[in-house]
Amino acid sequence: DAMVIQNPRYQVTQFGKPVTLSCSQTLNHNVMYWYQQKSSQAPKLLFHYYDKDFNNEADTPDNFQSRRPNTSFCFLDIRSPGLGDAAMYLCATSRVVGVGNSPLHFGNGTRLTVT
Amino acid sequence: KQEVTQIPAALSVPEGENLVLNCSFTDSAIYNLQWFRQDPGKGLTSLLLIQSSQREQTSGRLNASLDKSSGRSTLYIAASQPGDSATYLCAAPNAGGTSYGKLTFGQGTILTVHP
Repeated sequence: DAMVIQNPRYQVTQFGKPVTLSCSQTLNHNVMYWYQQKSSQAPKLLFHYYDKDFNNEADTPDNFQSRRPNTSFCFLDIRSPGLGDAAMYLCATSRVVGVGNSPLHFGNGTRLTVT
Repeated sequence: KQEVTQIPAALSVPEGENLVLNCSFTDSAIYNLQWFRQDPGKGLTSLLLIQSSQREQTSGRLNASLDKSSGRSTLYIAASQPGDSATYLCAAPNAGGTSYGKLTFGQGTILTVHP
């Protein structure tokens, strides 16, 4: 009954080789988020989509891009991964933003290793 | 900009103890606050969401309280079990400005419950 599904669970890529992580949801939520979580750190928001409206965090590197072709799917593209991009990438959804009863639902994450 | 702090950073207790995890936030104009659990190498599981109009929320052995005026939330775990061992994160949204709705996470409390 997984509601936010991330694939793959583990991803290994080479330094500088583009990689795409995927996220799908069965909740029909309007908002999808990508977070980066490095070891022993809090998750850090990279960007989010409200429907098709893309919202980039000011400190998200240009190396990170995202696509949301439809309500159910959202992709994270890392154009030229560096060693510092090795992290857990978490996808989350919520029904709306800014409403008290709209919790975030997370997927299980994709652990990215850069060699 | 919302800042979230969690104390303690780590906690080790014997099975059966009742315990309290603390979370403080700087911007009290929040519309909700959410507590998550994260098992090693996994994504985040939502435990409780407290809306700004609520003071408490309960789920099983978990009880979360919210005091907006003092910028504090606590997560109370009754009769702790080894299966409760995990990292517990609280997250509060930015309630205004260009980062409206962005969820800011605390660093988490690493809980170990030993038999």
